[in-house]
Amino acid sequence: GEKVEQHESTLSVREGDSAVINCTYTDTASSYFPWYKQEAGKGLHFVIDIRSNVDRKQSQRLIVLLDKKAKRFSLHITATQPEDSAIYFCAASNNNNAPRFGAGTKLTVKP
Amino acid sequence: GPKVLQIPSHQIIDMGQMVTLNCDPVSNHLYFYWYKQILGQQMEFLVNFYNGKVMEKSKLFKDQFSVERPDGSYFTLKIQPTALEDSAVYFCASSGTGVAETLYFGSGTRLTVL
Repeated sequence: GEKVEQHESTLSVREGDSAVINCTYTDTASSYFPWYKQEAGKGLHFVIDIRSNVDRKQSQRLIVLLDKKAKRFSLHITATQPEDSAIYFCAASNNNNAPRFGAGTKLTVKP
Repeated sequence: GPKVLQIPSHQIIDMGQMVTLNCDPVSNHLYFYWYKQILGQQMEFLVNFYNGKVMEKSKLFKDQFSVERPDGSYFTLKIQPTALEDSAVYFCASSGTGVAETLYFGSGTRLTVL
């Protein structure tokens, strides 16, 4: 089955800098790659996703890149703000299998 | 936005007893999920459920686990009997028309097995 590896367990950046979180996956059949944010004591909240028919997607300060050949995808948060501090999870799924998540990256944005 | 409600938020139970975790998914959603999170990190997939049936389950979904959604009411996860290693936060999620779309998560039920 699908296994998702999230490479950074923690990441600390200065406010205004960019943050990059990298994930890899194993199943070539995976076609949907969402990202979620979890704040302390809460459930996961969707932030952005990308499907395998494109290699880049942007939503305001969030950019997702997908490299299908390398089975790698990444989340770029530009112009970070303290409220971006949270745990970020990447995930991968296909049309038949529920999303499998990475281990999470705790992002701290320092003022 | 759409909300998934989980009841209770905390549950403490003695090992060997039965526990039922309740989830009220988004009203028009058709797909339901349970995930297990230990130590605030890894989100482990347990099971997904559609049209009254388990569609997919992981190795973590032991024989002691069961799910159901009787008559469109709560989507429940039952553990009988509980074991110490079942202590975790359990998250319910739902999605509209498939597994490859946005999941909406509840705030979790923290289960402590003594």
